[in-house]
Amino acid sequence: GQQVMQIPQYQHVQEGEDFTTYCNSSTTLSNIQWYKQRPGGHPVFLIQLVKSGEVKKQKRLTFQFGEAKKNSSLHITATQTTDVGTYFCAGGLGSYIPTFGRGTSLIVHP
Amino acid sequence: GAGVSQSPSNKVTEKGKDVELRCDPISGHTALYWYRQSLGQGLEFLIYFQGNSAPDKSGLPSDRFSAERTGGSVSTLTIQRTQQEDSAVYLCASSGTLNEKLFFGSGTQLSVL
Repeated sequence: GQQVMQIPQYQHVQEGEDFTTYCNSSTTLSNIQWYKQRPGGHPVFLIQLVKSGEVKKQKRLTFQFGEAKKNSSLHITATQTTDVGTYFCAGGLGSYIPTFGRGTSLIVHP
Repeated sequence: GAGVSQSPSNKVTEKGKDVELRCDPISGHTALYWYRQSLGQGLEFLIYFQGNSAPDKSGLPSDRFSAERTGGSVSTLTIQRTQQEDSAVYLCASSGTLNEKLFFGSGTQLSVL
């Protein structure tokens, strides 16, 4: 079936380093949402992108939606230990049901 | 309520037993979703309710799984004749309108022995 692919599966960084996770779809997405799940917690909404080429920032987090609306990325500048968790993208694939990627687990070493 | 509420938070059952998982969405939210998350895995879509429309059951893995939503609010996910591979965290989410952000509950950790 239609899928949203997300890489990498895991990422270890030293505190202060940057981090990026990538999300790709073979079909055009109507929108892309990003969620963060802390260890032992549930996914929490971060942001939604709708427009082609859209870029949004939240403090140290930068979210991009590709021109073709088939890919997206989340970049964190100067990671902190509070950034630890799993980041999920969720794409709209022609229905109102977000299709989630497998997530990228971020591990930050102090 | 203030958020999406799920119960029980943990459920341990024996293989072959039936289980019911409950979700109480945010008041006024018309869309309700059930997802399943296995250890270290992503979120697998199970079923979607929108208002009074027929639910989208396309994600249910077998006919042992069913769900209902009464009065457009509370939802119950039922798994009959549970199997060990059903062990996972079952997450419920609701949203106010179509294509809006999802608010997740804390999930039910199901363990089938």
